[in-house]
Amino acid sequence: AQTVTQSQPEMSVQEAETVTLSCTYDTSENNYYLFWYKQPPSRQMILVIRQEAYKQQNATENRFSVNFQKAAKSFSLKISDSQLGDTAMYFCAFMINTDKLIFGTGTRLQVFP
Amino acid sequence: DTGVSQNPRHKITKRGQNVTFRCDPISEHNRLYWYRQTLGQGPEFLTYFQNEAQLEKSRLLSDRFSAERPKGSFSTLEIQRTEQGDSAMYLCASSHRDYGYTFGSGTRLTVV
Repeated sequence: AQTVTQSQPEMSVQEAETVTLSCTYDTSENNYYLFWYKQPPSRQMILVIRQEAYKQQNATENRFSVNFQKAAKSFSLKISDSQLGDTAMYFCAFMINTDKLIFGTGTRLQVFP
Repeated sequence: DTGVSQNPRHKITKRGQNVTFRCDPISEHNRLYWYRQTLGQGPEFLTYFQNEAQLEKSRLLSDRFSAERPKGSFSTLEIQRTEQGDSAMYLCASSHRDYGYTFGSGTRLTVV
């Protein structure tokens, strides 16, 4: 069975600083996709970044980047130049082929001024 | 197209009553997913459709739950004889071939 583990229930960072959120996963599959989703308070889930497992290059989207370590089954999210609007729950998720998403339990990120 | 729409946004019901939620996906998306999210947890998969065919159901989806997607467009999720443990946020998402999910804002169910 595939599982996703986020070991940091809560994180905080000062505005303009950098923060890294951790995620590990377990699967016996070789081809899969990894995602980070953001869920602001009382708002809908938004895709932050995604990574295809067959790609060695780490994905980057503006201030958001990932460190994908396939052998270690690790997929961390780095947020640079943190902004107050980054305050949200962040979920790591995993997908095989184009099947269902499997989510971790989330990390609550608070950005302080 | 303004994205995935879910109605109602909030539902309060008495234990034992039946409730039905609706999801309107992005029109060109052929896949539609239902998830349940309880407080402080990540979303848990319930079921999904490709067009009108229901392809997979989670063990979380007891006999009291039923989902339909007639004509491959909108979908409904019905919960019969609601229990307090059904209180949660019910999320709908749709996707197309590029496996990019778009989520709706969810329906928050409170069973009293």
